[in-house]
Parts: sequence; C-alpha cells; structure tokens
Amino acid sequence: NAGVTQTPKFQVLKTGQSMTLQCAQDMNHNSMYWYRQDPGMGLRLIYYSASEGTTDKGEVPNGYNVSRLNKREFSLRLESAAPSQTSVYFCASIRQSEQFFGPGTRLTVL
Amino acid sequence: KQEVTQIPAALSVPEGENLVLNCSFTDSAIYNLQWFRQDPGKGLTSLLLIQSSQREQTSGRLNASLDKSSGRSTLYIAASQPGDSATYLCAVNPPSYGKLTFGQGTILTVHP
Repeated sequence: NAGVTQTPKFQVLKTGQSMTLQCAQDMNHNSMYWYRQDPGMGLRLIYYSASEGTTDKGEVPNGYNVSRLNKREFSLRLESAAPSQTSVYFCASIRQSEQFFGPGTRLTVL
Repeated sequence: KQEVTQIPAALSVPEGENLVLNCSFTDSAIYNLQWFRQDPGKGLTSLLLIQSSQREQTSGRLNASLDKSSGRSTLYIAASQPGDSATYLCAVNPPSYGKLTFGQGTILTVHP
C-alpha cells in the first residue's frame, strides 16, 4: 500500500513551458486535492475533486488545470509556466475527513 | 473567511521537556481539526484528527485538545525527543469538508 504517490519529485522549467504533475492513490479514496506550499504563505488549495468525474477550484486556481482521470489519478497541468508558480506542490486524498498527503513535487520556473 | 494562526512560529527546547503548540481559528463552524507533522523536504504526515464533537485525541506522547467555542486547539508533546524536531501544522475543515485551511506552522527544534 503506497498511499499517495507523486511524480516527478523535482522539475525545472523555463517560463512558458508546460508540464503535468501526476498524482495517484491506492487507498480507494473518493476525494483528491492539489495544494501549493510557499514560504510565508503556507499551504493553499489549488483544485480539488470530490469524486471521479468532478473537479472544483480552490483558493488559487489561476494558471492551472486538472484532470481526474479515474478514481486513482488526479493530475495538475501548467499550460504556460510562470516564475510565480515556483513552489512545492502536494497532492492529497481524504478518507473519513482525514487527509493523507503525497511527498510533494518541487517545481522551479526560471 | 477562515484564518488559522499558530503560535509560536518557532520553538527550541531541550530534550525531555513537555511542550505545547497553539492553534487558533476565527470561524468556529468547523467539521474537524487536523494536526500534521512535516519534516524538511518531505510531505505532511497526519498526527491527530479531532472531530468537532470531540474535546481531545491522544496518540502516544501526543495529545491534542479542541475548544470550538473559543476557536483554539493545542498540541501537547510529552517528554520531547530530538526526533520530534519538525514543523507542526494545524488545519481546520469546514462543514463542507475537505477544503482545509492551514496555519503557518510551528518549527520545533529539540536539542539533546
């Protein structure tokens, strides 16, 4: 049981490039979330998916898109990366109102 | 809008001390409150989850309390150890659960 997994662990992009952050959970949880963590700002919700086939915006959705591919997988896409998107990105899933987090992806946009 | 504040921002204690970390929130209409631990460069590990109807939860040397009416929670760590050094985050869940609001965290250092 791997819990919540994220790929890649590290990524460096140039401004304007695109990429997709992958997240998967093997705990059969319905709800999944994407957060970003920045110094002095704490963790902020980008998007979430309450169940397979549904997605909703969180606190800071601009510049991102998401796909809930199936119950296991929830991906986050940056279409045109900007330096302001340099951050650590965490995926999480929820079971009985308790959240479980992945190890994170460290993204740097130059 | 819910706001979560954690005090102190950083804490350094000698090994063996009992300590208390504080978390306050502005909107008492919460579904539950969760305490996490985060090691440098790592993800968040769930420590304790307190439902809004509960007053406290315990796990080993950790005890978390919740006072919804005053908008406060405390995390008590007994007999601290160097391995407890990490950032501790609290997060509150609104009634439409799942959209956690996090505090900024308390950086704890336990020195031998």
